[in-house]
Amino acid sequence: GAGVSQSPRYKVAKRGQDVALRCDPISGHVSLFWYQQALGQGPEFLTYFQNEAQLDKSGLPSDRFFAERPEGSVSTLKIQRTQQEDSAVYLCASSLLTASGYTFGSGTRLTVV
Amino acid sequence: GESVGLHLPTLSVQEGDNSIINCAYSNSASDYFIWYKQESGKGPQFIIDIRSNMDKRQGQRVTVLLNKTVKHLSLQIAATQPGDSAVYFCAETGPGTYKYIFGTGTRLKVLA
Repeated sequence: GAGVSQSPRYKVAKRGQDVALRCDPISGHVSLFWYQQALGQGPEFLTYFQNEAQLDKSGLPSDRFFAERPEGSVSTLKIQRTQQEDSAVYLCASSLLTASGYTFGSGTRLTVV
Repeated sequence: GESVGLHLPTLSVQEGDNSIINCAYSNSASDYFIWYKQESGKGPQFIIDIRSNMDKRQGQRVTVLLNKTVKHLSLQIAATQPGDSAVYFCAETGPGTYKYIFGTGTRLKVLA
């Protein structure tokens, strides 16, 4: 596609529920990133994929967070047993090369109630 | 930890005036800097970038200045338009890394 597509745009989850957030990167982009953006803050790094390999997951806040990109294109960020502090916008970004500027998607706004 | 910060959380300018958004970074090893614009409900949009071997780079209506001596980055927008209203983030990254460290953002309000 022309840009990075994320779905759903909005997700309301009850505390303890599992959620899955999807990212469709720009076709051909090797690098894929997930960031978390709290209200009024800048995005914070969660994890990085190069093709299907997850090369860095140091930013994932807990073992309840899991990301995958099995075929090197679409990626899913899964959050198990959601907590209120997980409420944020989850941004996906992709780039052709690691060192080039990212293209971000519009994000998924997750609200845990 | 290392961080990128901004001096002004909100900046209001008259339409047609020039805007200057500032950013201080703390990691002297950072070698690549980016400015992003984020409108409500959208993801950050790339505006302009600069590498540490430069001190100025110009785009269409935008200029980024880098002062490595005082670890300061600025974004200048010429003839500010209503469509420029958004939150602006600076971000940095270091050699051999891919993680961007973002500041908290500056909200730019353009007054008619």
